[in-house]
Amino acid sequence: QLVLTQSPSASASLGASVKLTCTLSSGHSSYAIAWHQQQPEKGPRYLMKLNSDGSHTKGDGIPDRFSGSSSGAERYLTISSLQSEDEADYYCQTWDTGFQVFGGGTQLTVL
Amino acid sequence: EVQLVESGGGLVQPGGSLRLSCAASGFTFSSYWMSWVRQAPGKGLEWVANIKQDGSENYYVDSVKGRFTISRDNAKNSLYLQMNSLRAEDTAVYYCARVRFSIYGGNRLYYFDCWGQGTLVTVSS
Repeated sequence: QLVLTQSPSASASLGASVKLTCTLSSGHSSYAIAWHQQQPEKGPRYLMKLNSDGSHTKGDGIPDRFSGSSSGAERYLTISSLQSEDEADYYCQTWDTGFQVFGGGTQLTVL
Repeated sequence: EVQLVESGGGLVQPGGSLRLSCAASGFTFSSYWMSWVRQAPGKGLEWVANIKQDGSENYYVDSVKGRFTISRDNAKNSLYLQMNSLRAEDTAVYYCARVRFSIYGGNRLYYFDCWGQGTLVTVSS
C-alpha cells in the first residue's frame, strides 16, 4: 500500500534553514512526489515536483530559497533564509494508478 | 493567468445533495486531467476524484464511490462534483485542482500544479 509519512510539526528560527521529510512506503522508493504549501486560511499552492534522483522542477514564482532533494525512500524540502510567510503546512503528494495520495502534512512554525 | 474558482458549497442536511462547480480560465481546460481534493476542518488534504481530459475515465476515493460523481463540460471550461447521500464526515473545504503529468526515469507522476481557493460544504442537521 502506497503511504507517505511526514512528521506532524517542525520549527526553526527566522533566517535559518529547515529540512522537511516525506518518506515513501516500502516498495515505492523510486516514486516521484510533489510538495505543496498551505498558508493559514488559504488554499494550497504547488511548490515543486521532486524525482528520486533529487532533480526537481519548481512552480512559477517559487523563490530560490525552496529546494528539493532525495535519498532512498525519503524526499526532502529545504527552505533556507526562513521568512515569516513560510509559516505554513507542507504536504507531499504522489500518485499510483488512478489515484493520488497525500502525506499527513507538516506544520512549520517560524520562531 | 491560470485561475480556478469553485462555487456551490453550503449547508446541507445529512442525506442531502449538493453540486459543486469549478470555473477554469487562463489555460486550455480540455487538455488536462482535473481533480477534486477536500480538507476536513483541522485535518489534512484528501484526494476525492479525478477525471480525464475527455471525461472518459474517472476515479474516486473509496469513501465517496457510489455517492459522488465527477464530470466536466469542456465547452464551458467547467468541472463539477455531484454529491449525493451526504454524510457528516463529508464536511470539508472542497478544492478544484489541475493535474499535470510527468514521466522521468520510467516513473510517472500525476500531480496538482494549480489550485482553487476552495468552497466549504457543511453537512449538518
